[in-house]
Amino acid sequence: GAVVSQHPSRVICKSGTSVKIECRSLDFQATTMFWYRQFPKQSLMLMATSNEGSKATYEQGVEKDKFLINHASLTLSTLTVTSAHPEDSSFYICSARDSPLETQYFGPGTRLLVL
Amino acid sequence: AQSVTQLGSHVSVSEGALVLLRCNYSSSVPPYLFWYVQYPNQGLQLLLKYTAGATLVKGINGFEAEFKKSETSFHLTKPSAHMSDAAEYFCAVSAGGTSYGKLTFGQGTILTVHP
Repeated sequence: GAVVSQHPSRVICKSGTSVKIECRSLDFQATTMFWYRQFPKQSLMLMATSNEGSKATYEQGVEKDKFLINHASLTLSTLTVTSAHPEDSSFYICSARDSPLETQYFGPGTRLLVL
Repeated sequence: AQSVTQLGSHVSVSEGALVLLRCNYSSSVPPYLFWYVQYPNQGLQLLLKYTAGATLVKGINGFEAEFKKSETSFHLTKPSAHMSDAAEYFCAVSAGGTSYGKLTFGQGTILTVHP
């Protein structure tokens, strides 16, 4: 199957700092990428849909100014958590859609811990 | 709107026994259905998907699922469990309309395999 990478896999930062997470589709072009958040022992919650060359679409309740998404190319989307706080600590997972196969391929996730 | 319900947050089987993980969905349009597996601290791996055509879908690692429209179900099965199958499994639905391409996940089912 298609491969999606995320970097970094784990990050620890101080409260108030910003953290950037990269999501790359390695062997296919993805016009659409998705960002999810997963709390311990819970399912994935869709945060936003990232479309190449246009603004991201955020789900209800997700602060767009806090979670900045950029999809500058067909193989790269970035999520920046701005002014991170301890409650932002979570597992962030991206996926890339391999249109027209309509399948989302997931990255390995990024564990964020805000102290 | 679309939704997914996975019956049973935990399923425990003996090695060699049948695995049955239940998934029911709700969708106002013909759905695409997916099963993903997640190992600890990792992203999601696609097991199988139904988009159209044959209702019995075979996936990786010996898993299969059957789409039953009349029952709005997409249960995941494997004839003989292996220790390496122990993981968390997520059923997801993707539909058209305003939710085009977005995945809605079930709550997840943790599968434990006993020797």
